[in-house]
Amino acid sequence: DIQMTQSPSTLSASVGDRVTLTCRASESINTWLAWYQQKPGKAPKLLIYTASNLESGVPSRFSGSGSGTEFTLTISSLQPDDFATYYCQQYSTYATFGPGTKVDIK
Amino acid sequence: QVQLVQSGPELKKPGASVKVSCKASGYTFSNYGISWVRQAPGQGLEWMGWISAKNGNTKYPQRLQGRVTMTTDTSTSTAYMELRSLRSDDTAVYYCARSGGLGTYWGDSWGQGTLVTVSS
Repeated sequence: DIQMTQSPSTLSASVGDRVTLTCRASESINTWLAWYQQKPGKAPKLLIYTASNLESGVPSRFSGSGSGTEFTLTISSLQPDDFATYYCQQYSTYATFGPGTKVDIK
Repeated sequence: QVQLVQSGPELKKPGASVKVSCKASGYTFSNYGISWVRQAPGQGLEWMGWISAKNGNTKYPQRLQGRVTMTTDTSTSTAYMELRSLRSDDTAVYYCARSGGLGTYWGDSWGQGTLVTVSS
């Protein structure tokens, strides 16, 4: 099975900060990676698919990059609505989620 | 707009089965797949599998093989997920999500979630 790790597990940041979240795969997954945002009690929301494609309706401050085993999600200027938990998901071989990164208020 | 509406909460005893439904609207059901994802209380997301609404093809992870069955009813645009031999660690919120075809297991629209509680 392909294992996914995310770092950091928690990130404390302020509104306006540029933040970068990292996701690593245990083996190469090409660009078969998605990013989601989840808020407490809500379903996940797709942000990015195929590593760098922005889902329709998602603000352009979100961007994704990477290929192979290392990927990043960048929020260029953190907004109050962005405090949430972020998950990566590989779908190169079946699908696996990372453990998540919680972005909270500094 | 795309909408997935799931069935209500369930309380089951260990060893029992549960069947969760997911009714889709706002798109051509048979052109997409449905993935199922669960989330135990306070935990992360776990992918449970995928079904093609076009031909019923399924993909399940090894750890759930033999316990999970996913089906669809194209006449009602509804997907179903049945989990058998329930254990306490199956207690979770279960989500359905619209996915693409074979190999495209991300979800671009999600149901509201169904809480399944397994307790004696």
